[in-house]
Amino acid sequence: DAGVIQSPRHEVTEMGQEVTLRCKPISGHNSLFWYRQTMMRGLELLIYFNNNVPIDDSGMPEDRFSAKMPNASFSTLKIQPSEPRDSAVYFCASNHPGLAGSTDTQYFGPGTRLTVL
Amino acid sequence: SQQGEEDPQALSIQEGENATMNCSYKTSINNLQWYRQNSGRGLVHLILIRSNEREKHSGRLRVTLDTSKKSSSLLITASRAADTASYFCATDGGGGGNKLTFGTGTQLKVEL
Repeated sequence: DAGVIQSPRHEVTEMGQEVTLRCKPISGHNSLFWYRQTMMRGLELLIYFNNNVPIDDSGMPEDRFSAKMPNASFSTLKIQPSEPRDSAVYFCASNHPGLAGSTDTQYFGPGTRLTVL
Repeated sequence: SQQGEEDPQALSIQEGENATMNCSYKTSINNLQWYRQNSGRGLVHLILIRSNEREKHSGRLRVTLDTSKKSSSLLITASRAADTASYFCATDGGGGGNKLTFGTGTQLKVEL
């Protein structure tokens, strides 16, 4: 299995620019999660989707952040405009709740390290 | 605020020793999971324990769960240098949803 795929792995941008992070979940998984990890705040859930529908976006910090899942194999997290405090590692994870042997286990991608100058 | 708090924040041991990490949480749960994160990598699932279980083993890992105290512990026996990583507990909040809340993590360093 290819696992969860994220791109880019590293992104350096300037304040005010738009940033788009991409994620391809594991085939057959119908839940997808976006997390942000920083030293100060740890690992935070930003938003998650079930069957391509956003279920809980309470962790999205502000309107500058948006996430979409147009189909079962692709999701984006967009930050517009970006700010230096958005610098973090962003992880995507997926799972298939109830699937025998993987109940509730989440499978993480390698992450995108974002630096906003 | 974090649902789970790991203790200690950092732990340094010698290879061959056992490592114990603790996790406390605040709300009811259906299950509790432990994940490992190597530096610069994503999290990897280690083990899941359900609320009606008290202890679970997987290889060199032993997890205990005390729902009355809202706490869990992860024991790694006969540690190896390759076990050096951060370890996180995660809880599901008990509400039946698919959302996990991660703790603050324990940084484990196993020295040769």
